Amino acid sequence: EPEVTQTPSHQVTQMGQEVILRCVPISNHLYFYWYRQILGQKVEFLVSFYNNEISEKSEIFDDQFSVERPDGSNFTLKIRSTKLEDSAMYFCASSEGAEPGNTIYFGEGSWLTVV
Amino acid sequence: QKEVEQNSGPLSVPEGAIASLNCTYSDRVSQSFFWYRQYSGKSPELIMSIYSNGDKEDGRFTAQLNKASQYVSLLIRDSQPSDSATYLCAVIRVNRLAFGKGNQVVVIP
Repeated sequence: EPEVTQTPSHQVTQMGQEVILRCVPISNHLYFYWYRQILGQKVEFLVSFYNNEISEKSEIFDDQFSVERPDGSNFTLKIRSTKLEDSAMYFCASSEGAEPGNTIYFGEGSWLTVV
Repeated sequence: QKEVEQNSGPLSVPEGAIASLNCTYSDRVSQSFFWYRQYSGKSPELIMSIYSNGDKEDGRFTAQLNKASQYVSLLIRDSQPSDSATYLCAVIRVNRLAFGKGNQVVVIP
């Protein structure tokens, strides 16, 4: 079964450093997403991406964050100047379309620890 | 008002019993509703989707949707220890999923 893959599975970084989280969405999917989940809290939407541009972003997704689709398969989340509160599980997701009825599939997550 | 609310605390059910979970949402125009299961440290896994008022059954799971009252529920019949997880209610809102905080279910053998 096709799946969303994410790397790394776990990254530890020092406060102030930049991190890049990578994702390979399901191949025929057109919509891509990043969500995050701080330990013990709910899953929060960060950003959605379609047709090589951001289609929606949450208030969490400020100038510290950026997304990119550098080639035909990868979708990346860059976090600049990381803070302790950026420690969370980051989930990449993808869907075939945006209409009701299109399932959003999640990757296994990248656990980011900022120290 | 929160977009998606799941207010119940942890739910402990004996093996073989029915687990019942509820969720309310704030946006009346929402059309698509989902239940995800999340094991500790893992990603959300879709178990049910529902788009129309009424019940939808899939194996041991039944989702119920009442758009007039803005609630969605999930029943797990014949609960198994492997059902022990956090169940997340989610609603599509403007091309993104809005999640509730989840309800932890513990099935006691």
